Amino acid sequence: AQSVTQLGSHVSVSEGALVLLRCNYSSSVPPYLFWYVQYPNQGLQLLLKYTTGATLVKGINGFEAEFKKSETSFHLTKPSAHMSDAAEYFCAVSVLRNNDMRFGAGTRLTVKP
Amino acid sequence: EAQVTQNPRYLITVTGKKLTVTCSQNMNHEYMSWYRQDPGLGLRQIYYSMNVEVTDKGDVPEGYKVSRKEKRNFPLILESPSPNQTSLYFCASSLAQGNTGELFFGEGSRLTVL
Repeated sequence: AQSVTQLGSHVSVSEGALVLLRCNYSSSVPPYLFWYVQYPNQGLQLLLKYTTGATLVKGINGFEAEFKKSETSFHLTKPSAHMSDAAEYFCAVSVLRNNDMRFGAGTRLTVKP
Repeated sequence: EAQVTQNPRYLITVTGKKLTVTCSQNMNHEYMSWYRQDPGLGLRQIYYSMNVEVTDKGDVPEGYKVSRKEKRNFPLILESPSPNQTSLYFCASSLAQGNTGELFFGEGSRLTVL
């Protein structure tokens, strides 16, 4: 079965600095990859997804992620952090014809003034 | 507005007292699922349903039951709750199997079992 590993349970950056949240996946078939964001006291909402085609995908709020098959990675980046980006971020993987989505343990992003 | 609605949002109960967490979606989604979220463990799937009257176990089904009598509703039942079921629970839905699998989540139900 597919799985994901998120490196770093907590990441802290200064406002305006680069955000980099790491995700590596394992899948025996071509994966669908997702990043979800969870703001305090809310459910998860989709940030961006990769299915097929262009490997660099852009999401909401200035985030983007690049699918690198050779590295089995799908790292999330944002050039300049805002205070409003403070949240928990989850990487997830699923495969075609299988609704079994697997989530990573999550990375809590803190943005310092 | 497209949404997944869970109730209650917060609940404190005692060991052994049966409870039900309701989940309803208005997007005509065939697939629905329950997850629990615990610190350091991310989201783990409890049960899922591919369609009406079709349910199956996820990774952590022990101590839980579900039913899918209608397409829009997918309640989670704890017949005899125990303290290790204290957690944050999420219901999610998506289109039928074969799509990209994007999930739509409810706002969560925080359960404390004393």
